[in-house]
Amino acid sequence: RKEVEQDPGPFNVPEGATVAFNCTYSNSASQSFFWYRQDCRKEPKLLMSVYSSGNEDGRFTAQLNRASQYISLLIRDSKLSDSATYLCAALFGNQFYFGTGTSLTVIP
Amino acid sequence: DAGVIQSPRHEVTEMGQEVTLRCKPISGHNSLFWYRQTMMRGLELLIYFNNNVPIDDSGMPEDRFSAKMPNASFSTLKIQPSEPRDSAVYFCASSRTSGLPYEQYFGPGTRLTVT
Repeated sequence: RKEVEQDPGPFNVPEGATVAFNCTYSNSASQSFFWYRQDCRKEPKLLMSVYSSGNEDGRFTAQLNRASQYISLLIRDSKLSDSATYLCAALFGNQFYFGTGTSLTVIP
Repeated sequence: DAGVIQSPRHEVTEMGQEVTLRCKPISGHNSLFWYRQTMMRGLELLIYFNNNVPIDDSGMPEDRFSAKMPNASFSTLKIQPSEPRDSAVYFCASSRTSGLPYEQYFGPGTRLTVT
């Protein structure tokens, strides 16, 4: 079983829609969690860290559910520029475990 | 501030040749990670260093791969001899290890093609 699992999608949503991704992790001792965004032929870029209390950055909201061992990313009012692959990551010790990514395409 | 720097950005080589990829982490970061990404397997951790010491190299595919970190500002990943199945994008990333969360930042990657 992979340490971090994501639904690969693809998610195809119209502009302005709200879309949510979930990511499950297997190690209950994981300390920190992150969402990354990766554009085609580019490196993953840190989108946001996920805090226990949940956190919001503009149209993006990240939540952590330790009891069920998953993190989520909610994108409101989606824009064409949100089209990318979104990877979740969990930190255990000094090692990061990445999911395989969820592909999002926002359609005009 | 400069991010993680990798070179070369693209490398095309013939099977059997030696390939050396280079990475300069973000100043002040004391952990460095080498990843490989392919469509089939996604992002795979190859090896990571903490304070220049290799901590976990279980992801290194085989003896053809080796990595070094001679000082805090430089690391290399070497493939000798290279094979077509090594074709992938190789990312270097760095993070600090004091004060959670340890956010990790990626370099632009080296796109390797072995013919």
